[in-house]
Amino acid sequence: RKEVEQDPGPFNVPEGATVAFNCTYSNSASQSFFWYRQDCRKEPKLLMSVYSSGNEDGRFTAQLNRASQYISLLIRDSKLSDSATYLCVVNLGTYKYIFGTGTRLKVLA
Amino acid sequence: NAGVMQNPRHLVRRRGQEARLRCSPMKGHSHVYWYRQLPEEGLKFMVYLQKENIIDESGMPKERFSAEFPKEGPSILRIQQVVRGDSAAYFCASSPDGETQYFGPGTRLLVL
Repeated sequence: RKEVEQDPGPFNVPEGATVAFNCTYSNSASQSFFWYRQDCRKEPKLLMSVYSSGNEDGRFTAQLNRASQYISLLIRDSKLSDSATYLCVVNLGTYKYIFGTGTRLKVLA
Repeated sequence: NAGVMQNPRHLVRRRGQEARLRCSPMKGHSHVYWYRQLPEEGLKFMVYLQKENIIDESGMPKERFSAEFPKEGPSILRIQQVVRGDSAAYFCASSPDGETQYFGPGTRLLVL
């Protein structure tokens, strides 16, 4: 089983739609969690950290479910500019960060 | 504050040549990570360095690959005797605290 698993997509959604991605992780000792965004042929950029209580940043909401070992990202009111690959990242409590292969999102006009 | 810089952005090498990839971290950052990304794949951890020290190189092949982060100057990822399978995007990330990572634009290596 992969350490971090994501549905590769693509998720094709119309502008204004709400879309959610999940990411599962295998190591129950994982300590911190992040969502990164990567545009085609660009570097990953931190979108948001994921806290145990869940957190929101504008149209983006991240949740953590430790019991089921998954994190989620919800995007409301999708914009064309949200089209990208979303990477789930898990930290094992050291400097070791495990990246998922990403979920592709395409927001359609 | 300039971001993380990597150069060259694109590098073409023939099989058997050496590739040197440079990463200049953000000012004040003493932690550097190197990752490799193959097409349609996730980033794979290669090595983690702090100034003058390799902390963890468990993700880096033991042969042909080496990394350094000297007291002065950029971090260098060196690949000797490149093979076609080394073709990939190599990203470095710097961090002020070993946690939040800021990525450079990457070096795309193509081995002919």
